[in-house]
Amino acid sequence: AQSVTQLDSQVPVFEEAPVELRCNYSSSVSVYLFWYVQYPNQGLQLLLKYLSGSTLVKGINGFEAEFNKSQTSFHLRKPSVHISDTAEYFCAVSMNYGGSQGNLIFGKGTKLSVKP
Amino acid sequence: GAGVSQSPSNKVTEKGKDVELRCDPISGHTALYWYRQRLGQGLEFLIYFQGNSAPDKSGLPSDRFSAERTGESVSTLTIQRTQQEDSAVYLCASRQGILSSYGYTFGSGTRLTVV
Repeated sequence: AQSVTQLDSQVPVFEEAPVELRCNYSSSVSVYLFWYVQYPNQGLQLLLKYLSGSTLVKGINGFEAEFNKSQTSFHLRKPSVHISDTAEYFCAVSMNYGGSQGNLIFGKGTKLSVKP
Repeated sequence: GAGVSQSPSNKVTEKGKDVELRCDPISGHTALYWYRQRLGQGLEFLIYFQGNSAPDKSGLPSDRFSAERTGESVSTLTIQRTQQEDSAVYLCASRQGILSSYGYTFGSGTRLTVV
């Protein structure tokens, strides 16, 4: 079985500061990894995904994440946050065995609050 | 359509009543998923459709929950005899193909409140 752990339920940060949102996963098979963002009263929007290849992936809005297989982590980072980045961020994993139905297993989310 | 559309956006119902939630996926997206998001919780998988068949219903929490899909189009999630613990945001997502490497596109959700 797979699981996703987001270690921080809430992360407050000042505008223009760097931020890291942590995500760890467990799986007995190879996985794909995703980060989604949910703005208030909206659905989830894909920020970025890791499928294969380079372990550093860049997404929208200046976010990036690094896949670390040995630490089973996929932490999300942004060097300088804006007020508009205030949202909830979800890490998700799906199994990679080709042709799978690809259920996404989500973490419980991290609420990022950017203060002026 | 341009995105995944869900209706209604908000639903308040009395305990014991039945409700029906609707999801219109992106045209051509073969896979469709329902998730439930309770307050302060992550997303809980409910059911997956590939076309109009549901190979995985393992997430449906009880037999009060059912879902169907017409072809590769609209899906409805029905909750019978609603209970207060059913209060949540119900999210629908669709995906272009069967490979798990494709990302999901989510709708804005239906916020269900059972009073």
